[in-house]
Amino acid sequence: QVQLVQSGAEVKKPGASVKVSCKASGYTFTSYDINWVRQTTGQGLEWMGWMNPNSGNTGYAQKFQGRVTMTSDISIRTAYMELSSLTPEDTALYYCARASGGGCCNWFDPWGQGTLVTVSS
Amino acid sequence: DIVMTQSPDSLAVSLGERATIHCKSSQSILYSSDNKNYLAWYQQKPGHPPNLLIYWASTRESGVPDRFSGSGSGTDFTLTISGLQAEDVAVYYCQQYYSTPLTFGGGTKVEIK
Repeated sequence: QVQLVQSGAEVKKPGASVKVSCKASGYTFTSYDINWVRQTTGQGLEWMGWMNPNSGNTGYAQKFQGRVTMTSDISIRTAYMELSSLTPEDTALYYCARASGGGCCNWFDPWGQGTLVTVSS
Repeated sequence: DIVMTQSPDSLAVSLGERATIHCKSSQSILYSSDNKNYLAWYQQKPGHPPNLLIYWASTRESGVPDRFSGSGSGTDFTLTISGLQAEDVAVYYCQQYYSTPLTFGGGTKVEIK
């Protein structure tokens, strides 16, 4: 079945970077864009951006511009999201999700299981 | 940015009764060229990622029970659970994909009365 499996939880210090991976299976990896969404208690669900594994094209939410980089390695069917200059406010559960319905940014199905990133000194 | 506002924040419904969740967008998410509303609904159970229920405001995802239905157009939308089951206890979110940044509602927690 279509599945996205993410890397494990991370603990980072303020100012550091984190790179989360998302391995796809059960479908043609290059045919669908991967989006990243984070979830916090305070902000709820927050869309970060999208990445096309075939072209490498990306689109980022303005809030994260300059701090986020989304990439992929087609050979291992894996997408990555790197977030730099971390602050405690970046503590969140980070999800990758496949965009459906064509295009970069429609509805999401499925979602990865989530990766908890904790930023603390 | 399009702001999505859900109401209520939480509701308690008896088993077998109807649950109604509202979602309002700060601008119309009806695209005139295709006459489609760019809205999705998700269900999230504790410890799990969101799960797609409905897209195009009213199209049920394959495998989703038909007690879940979506309606509305323009700026006002509704998710209805007709005949609440115990397994429907969850938080429900709406999401617009009319324009980036994509945005979500704050969520509605559904519990059993």
